[in-house]
Amino acid sequence: NAGVTQTPKFRILKIGQSMTLQCTQDMNHNYMYWYRQDPGMGLKLIYYSVGAGITDKGEVPNGYNVSRSTTEDFPLRLELAAPSQTSVYFCASSYPMGGRSGNTIYFGEGSWLTVV
Amino acid sequence: DAKTTQPPSMDCAEGRAANLPCNHSTISGNEYVYWYRQIHSQGPQYIIHGLKNNETNEMASLIITEDRKSSTLILPHATLRDTAVYYCIVRVVANNAGNMLTFGGGTRLMVKP
Repeated sequence: NAGVTQTPKFRILKIGQSMTLQCTQDMNHNYMYWYRQDPGMGLKLIYYSVGAGITDKGEVPNGYNVSRSTTEDFPLRLELAAPSQTSVYFCASSYPMGGRSGNTIYFGEGSWLTVV
Repeated sequence: DAKTTQPPSMDCAEGRAANLPCNHSTISGNEYVYWYRQIHSQGPQYIIHGLKNNETNEMASLIITEDRKSSTLILPHATLRDTAVYYCIVRVVANNAGNMLTFGGGTRLMVKP
């Protein structure tokens, strides 16, 4: 069981370039998330999705786009990369909250992005 | 949304219990308390969660005060591998969108030999 898989693990971008961070999960989770983590800081939510075809903004969505065409995949697109987007990006997934389940969020291993 | 307050860092001797406090004085009645940890360069890992009652699993125990304004995560026999940043989080529900978690700064736990 692979869980949440992110690619690439490391990437260096030049200012103005674009790229897509891939994320896939094999747990049939409805909910998926993208977080970013700057050095020494907590995680901030970029975008989330409650199911295929449905996405919504989190706390820091500017400069990013997402899509959710399937339950398994939730790619994060960076358009016109800027140095402020240098960060570690974490994809995550979970079941919907329900009752006492309190559902667990499962995180990927992270993608280290540097914009120079 | 309820906010949490945690000490920025703590030390613990290997083999001893690590007690990590968290203040969440503005928690609402239907909000859960979650604990996650993040070992260096890895994705966050779920530890435990609770609503009102104390909870225990194979990793840790969670003690929630009766008024729910604070909680303590207990690692009963800390090992060097428990060195990590520990996040206390109160669940945020937005527009029926499920279980978004808001991460603060956490407590950096250093387990020393």
